Amino acid sequence: KAGVTQTPRYLIKTRGQQVTLSCSPISGHRSVSWYQQTPGQGLQFLFEYFSETQRNKGNFPGRFSGRQFSNSRSEMNVSTLELGDSALYLCASSWGAVVQGRLYGYTFGSGTRLTVV
Amino acid sequence: DAKTTQPTSMDCAEGRAANLPCNHSTISGNEYVYWYRQIHSQGPQYIIHGLKNNETNEMASLIITEDRKSSTLILPHATLRDTAVYYCIVSIQGAQKLVFGQGTRLTINP
Repeated sequence: KAGVTQTPRYLIKTRGQQVTLSCSPISGHRSVSWYQQTPGQGLQFLFEYFSETQRNKGNFPGRFSGRQFSNSRSEMNVSTLELGDSALYLCASSWGAVVQGRLYGYTFGSGTRLTVV
Repeated sequence: DAKTTQPTSMDCAEGRAANLPCNHSTISGNEYVYWYRQIHSQGPQYIIHGLKNNETNEMASLIITEDRKSSTLILPHATLRDTAVYYCIVSIQGAQKLVFGQGTRLTINP
Protein backbone atom coordinates (compact mmCIF):
# COMPACT_ATOMS: atom_id res chain seq x y z
CA LYS A 1 0.00 0.00 0.00
CA ALA A 2 1.09 3.58 -0.57
CA GLY A 3 3.05 5.20 2.21
CA VAL A 4 2.80 8.65 3.70
CA THR A 5 3.24 11.27 1.00
CA GLN A 6 4.60 14.70 1.73
CA THR A 7 4.78 17.52 -0.75
CA PRO A 8 6.83 19.33 -1.73
CA ARG A 9 10.10 17.55 -0.93
CA TYR A 10 12.16 20.71 -0.97
CA LEU A 11 11.23 24.35 -0.53
CA ILE A 12 13.15 27.61 -0.36
CA LYS A 13 11.41 30.64 1.10
CA THR A 14 12.37 34.14 2.12
CA ARG A 15 12.09 35.51 5.64
CA GLY A 16 8.66 36.94 6.29
CA GLN A 17 6.89 34.74 3.78
CA GLN A 18 4.49 31.99 4.66
CA VAL A 19 4.51 28.36 3.59
CA THR A 20 2.05 25.48 3.41
CA LEU A 21 3.16 21.87 3.54
CA SER A 22 0.97 18.93 2.65
CA CYS A 23 0.71 15.39 3.97
CA SER A 24 -1.37 12.48 2.66
CA PRO A 25 -1.57 9.66 5.21
CA ILE A 26 -1.80 5.94 4.61
CA SER A 27 -5.27 4.97 3.49
CA GLY A 28 -7.44 4.28 6.53
CA HIS A 29 -5.22 6.13 8.97
CA ARG A 30 -7.11 8.88 10.76
CA SER A 31 -4.30 10.40 12.80
CA VAL A 32 -1.73 12.74 11.32
CA SER A 33 1.02 14.33 13.35
CA TRP A 34 3.75 16.75 12.42
CA TYR A 35 7.34 17.01 13.62
CA GLN A 36 10.16 19.46 13.07
CA GLN A 37 13.72 18.18 12.88
CA THR A 38 16.74 20.43 13.20
CA PRO A 39 20.38 19.57 13.95
CA GLY A 40 20.26 21.47 17.22
CA GLN A 41 16.89 20.44 18.65
CA GLY A 42 16.39 17.05 17.06
CA LEU A 43 12.87 15.78 16.39
CA GLN A 44 10.20 17.89 18.06
CA PHE A 45 6.46 17.36 18.05
CA LEU A 46 4.37 20.12 16.48
CA PHE A 47 0.76 18.88 16.60
CA GLU A 48 -1.53 15.92 16.02
CA TYR A 49 -4.88 15.72 14.29
CA PHE A 50 -7.50 13.00 14.46
CA SER A 51 -10.74 13.16 12.51
CA GLU A 52 -10.20 16.83 11.69
CA THR A 53 -9.63 17.81 15.33
CA GLN A 54 -6.37 18.91 16.85
CA ARG A 55 -5.85 16.66 19.86
CA ASN A 56 -2.39 17.68 20.94
CA LYS A 57 0.00 20.54 20.33
CA GLY A 58 3.69 20.97 20.99
CA ASN A 59 5.50 23.99 22.32
CA PHE A 60 5.74 26.06 19.16
CA PRO A 61 4.64 29.66 18.53
CA GLY A 62 1.29 30.45 16.99
CA ARG A 63 2.95 31.02 13.62
CA PHE A 64 2.80 27.26 13.25
CA SER A 65 -0.67 25.96 12.50
CA GLY A 66 -2.27 23.00 10.86
CA ARG A 67 -5.49 21.44 9.80
CA GLN A 68 -6.88 18.13 8.70
CA PHE A 69 -9.47 17.50 6.05
CA SER A 70 -12.30 14.98 6.00
CA ASN A 71 -10.20 12.60 3.88
CA SER A 72 -7.51 12.72 6.63
CA ARG A 73 -5.07 14.68 4.49
CA SER A 74 -3.34 17.37 6.48
CA GLU A 75 -1.61 20.65 5.89
CA MET A 76 0.63 22.68 8.10
CA ASN A 77 1.28 26.36 7.68
CA VAL A 78 4.08 28.53 8.93
CA SER A 79 3.57 32.27 8.70
CA THR A 80 6.13 35.06 8.91
CA LEU A 81 9.02 32.69 8.31
CA GLU A 82 12.22 33.10 10.29
CA LEU A 83 15.68 31.75 9.52
CA GLY A 84 15.32 29.38 12.47
CA ASP A 85 12.36 27.71 10.81
CA SER A 86 14.73 26.04 8.36
CA ALA A 87 14.26 22.36 9.08
CA LEU A 88 13.04 19.01 7.90
CA TYR A 89 9.29 18.82 8.53
CA LEU A 90 8.00 15.29 8.96
CA CYS A 91 4.48 14.01 8.87
CA ALA A 92 3.44 10.72 10.47
CA SER A 93 0.20 8.82 10.22
CA SER A 94 -1.33 6.11 12.34
CA TRP A 95 -4.67 4.54 13.13
CA GLY A 96 -4.89 6.95 16.03
CA ALA A 97 -6.67 4.43 18.19
CA VAL A 98 -6.14 0.97 19.53
CA VAL A 99 -6.95 -1.60 16.87
CA GLN A 100 -7.56 -5.20 17.86
CA GLY A 101 -6.07 -4.50 21.25
CA ARG A 102 -2.82 -3.03 19.91
CA LEU A 103 -1.70 0.39 18.85
CA TYR A 104 0.68 0.05 15.99
CA GLY A 105 3.49 2.40 15.30
CA TYR A 106 3.51 5.58 13.33
CA THR A 107 4.49 5.63 9.66
CA PHE A 108 6.52 8.65 8.68
CA GLY A 109 6.83 10.36 5.34
CA SER A 110 10.18 11.38 3.86
CA GLY A 111 9.65 14.96 4.91
CA THR A 112 9.75 18.41 3.40
CA ARG A 113 13.05 20.19 3.70
CA LEU A 114 12.38 23.88 4.18
CA THR A 115 15.14 26.41 3.78
CA VAL A 116 14.49 30.01 4.80
CA VAL A 117 16.87 32.58 3.37
CA ASP B 1 12.00 15.76 27.79
CA ALA B 2 12.72 12.27 26.61
CA LYS B 3 12.35 9.61 29.27
CA THR B 4 15.08 7.39 27.86
CA THR B 5 18.87 7.33 27.88
CA GLN B 6 20.86 5.85 25.02
CA PRO B 7 24.53 5.82 24.09
CA THR B 8 25.39 8.51 21.59
CA SER B 9 27.04 6.18 19.13
CA MET B 10 27.93 2.55 18.53
CA ASP B 11 29.80 0.53 15.96
CA CYS B 12 29.15 -3.00 14.82
CA ALA B 13 30.74 -5.26 12.22
CA GLU B 14 28.65 -6.35 9.28
CA GLY B 15 27.10 -9.75 9.83
CA ARG B 16 27.33 -9.55 13.60
CA ALA B 17 24.48 -8.91 15.99
CA ALA B 18 23.99 -5.27 16.95
CA ASN B 19 22.76 -4.79 20.50
CA LEU B 20 21.45 -1.33 21.27
CA PRO B 21 20.74 -0.57 24.94
CA CYS B 22 18.20 1.85 26.33
CA ASN B 23 17.55 2.92 29.92
CA HIS B 24 14.06 3.97 30.95
CA SER B 25 14.16 3.81 34.71
CA THR B 26 11.07 5.99 35.21
CA ILE B 27 8.80 4.02 32.89
CA SER B 28 5.21 3.70 34.07
CA GLY B 29 3.25 0.48 34.15
CA ASN B 30 1.13 1.40 31.16
CA GLU B 31 3.97 2.67 28.98
CA TYR B 32 5.34 0.72 26.08
CA VAL B 33 8.88 0.75 24.73
CA TYR B 34 9.04 1.69 21.05
CA TRP B 35 12.02 1.63 18.73
CA TYR B 36 12.35 3.66 15.57
CA ARG B 37 15.29 4.27 13.30
CA GLN B 38 16.11 7.06 10.92
CA ILE B 39 18.32 6.51 7.95
CA HIS B 40 19.94 9.65 6.64
CA SER B 41 17.52 12.08 4.99
CA GLN B 42 14.51 9.84 5.50
CA GLY B 43 11.68 9.86 8.00
CA PRO B 44 11.90 7.62 11.07
CA GLN B 45 10.89 4.01 10.53
CA TYR B 46 9.00 1.96 13.10
CA ILE B 47 10.92 -1.16 14.14
CA ILE B 48 9.25 -2.84 17.08
CA HIS B 49 7.55 -2.20 20.40
CA GLY B 50 6.74 -4.10 23.58
CA LEU B 51 5.26 -3.81 27.05
CA LYS B 52 7.00 -6.39 29.21
CA ASN B 53 7.45 -9.55 27.19
CA ASN B 54 10.23 -9.97 24.70
CA GLU B 55 9.14 -9.32 21.15
CA THR B 56 10.49 -10.41 17.78
CA ASN B 57 9.55 -9.48 14.26
CA GLU B 58 11.17 -9.68 10.87
CA MET B 59 13.39 -6.70 11.59
CA ALA B 60 14.58 -7.12 15.15
CA SER B 61 14.13 -8.49 18.65
CA LEU B 62 13.31 -6.47 21.73
CA ILE B 63 14.44 -7.66 25.13
CA ILE B 64 12.90 -5.88 28.12
CA THR B 65 14.27 -6.51 31.59
CA GLU B 66 11.96 -7.91 34.22
CA ASP B 67 11.86 -4.62 36.12
CA ARG B 68 11.24 -2.84 32.79
CA LYS B 69 13.85 -0.22 33.57
CA SER B 70 15.92 -1.03 30.52
CA SER B 71 15.69 -2.76 27.18
CA THR B 72 17.88 -3.91 24.32
CA LEU B 73 17.13 -3.83 20.63
CA ILE B 74 18.86 -6.64 18.76
CA LEU B 75 19.52 -6.61 15.03
CA PRO B 76 20.59 -10.25 14.59
CA HIS B 77 22.69 -9.96 11.43
CA ALA B 78 23.53 -6.34 10.83
CA THR B 79 24.04 -5.13 7.28
CA LEU B 80 25.42 -1.85 5.96
CA ARG B 81 21.83 -0.72 5.38
CA ASP B 82 21.22 -0.83 9.12
CA THR B 83 23.46 2.21 9.58
CA ALA B 84 21.08 4.77 11.07
CA VAL B 85 20.10 6.68 14.19
CA TYR B 86 18.05 4.46 16.49
CA TYR B 87 15.53 5.99 18.85
CA CYS B 88 14.14 4.33 21.96
CA ILE B 89 10.85 5.90 23.09
CA VAL B 90 8.52 5.13 25.97
CA SER B 91 4.90 5.95 25.41
CA ILE B 92 1.42 4.92 26.44
CA GLN B 93 -0.89 3.25 23.98
CA GLY B 94 -2.95 5.85 22.24
CA ALA B 95 -0.39 8.58 22.82
CA GLN B 96 -0.84 11.42 20.44
CA LYS B 97 2.84 12.20 20.13
CA LEU B 98 6.27 10.65 20.30
CA VAL B 99 9.00 12.26 22.39
CA PHE B 100 12.32 11.65 20.69
CA GLY B 101 15.64 11.82 22.45
CA GLN B 102 18.96 12.12 20.67
CA GLY B 103 19.10 8.42 19.83
CA THR B 104 22.08 6.16 19.11
CA ARG B 105 23.98 6.60 15.89
CA LEU B 106 24.76 3.02 14.82
CA THR B 107 27.45 2.51 12.22
CA ILE B 108 27.81 -0.87 10.59
CA ASN B 109 31.34 -1.42 9.33
CA PRO B 110 32.25 -3.76 6.47
